Amino acid sequence: DAGVIQSPRHEVTEMGQEVTLRCKPISGHNSLFWYRQTMMRGLELLIYFNNNVPIDDSGMPEDRFSAKMPNASFSTLKIQPSEPRDSAVYFCASSLGEPDTQYFGPGTRLTVL
Amino acid sequence: KNQVEQSPQSLIILEGKNCTLQCNYTVSPFSNLRWYKQDTGRGPVSLTIMTFSENTKSNGRYTATLDADTKQSSLHITASQLSDSASYICVVTSRSNDYKLSFGAGTTVTVRA
Repeated sequence: DAGVIQSPRHEVTEMGQEVTLRCKPISGHNSLFWYRQTMMRGLELLIYFNNNVPIDDSGMPEDRFSAKMPNASFSTLKIQPSEPRDSAVYFCASSLGEPDTQYFGPGTRLTVL
Repeated sequence: KNQVEQSPQSLIILEGKNCTLQCNYTVSPFSNLRWYKQDTGRGPVSLTIMTFSENTKSNGRYTATLDADTKQSSLHITASQLSDSASYICVVTSRSNDYKLSFGAGTTVTVRA
């Protein structure tokens, strides 16, 4: 298996633009997680899906952030409009379930100018 | 407030030596505790997951301990190698009516030849 796949790996955009990050979990995994990591705040959980259903989205910072999982093999994290403080590395992870091992993708480094 | 405190913030050790990292938490109710290794520019990699009833778990040269009574965990690295240079993150899961992850700030380990 190729592991968790994220795209793009790097994204540079201007403030106010819409940003969409994509994730393909490991086949057969039914839990998917979106994380954000910055030097100041460390690693944070944004949202957790189980069987394509959002279980906890309390980590989503504000209404500008939204996440979807239309099927078991694809998820998106959208920021609209983006702001400079959204600059971070965004990780997607998947697992067979909780509390099984979570496998992280390589991350998307987002820079909002 | 659920908190996870890691110590030390950073440490430098010589190749072949052992070291121990600490994680103290106030998370309640406790579900599980994970240790991750994160190389620079990469996503975290799971080392161990421990639930309430487990007090020791090993993964190669990495051994994690958990004392659920005192709410303390440690990660011991035996016979360190240059490849152990990384950030080590402690994550505690709380699960009652919702799903919460509390993250430590990490310990940066540098192994020198």
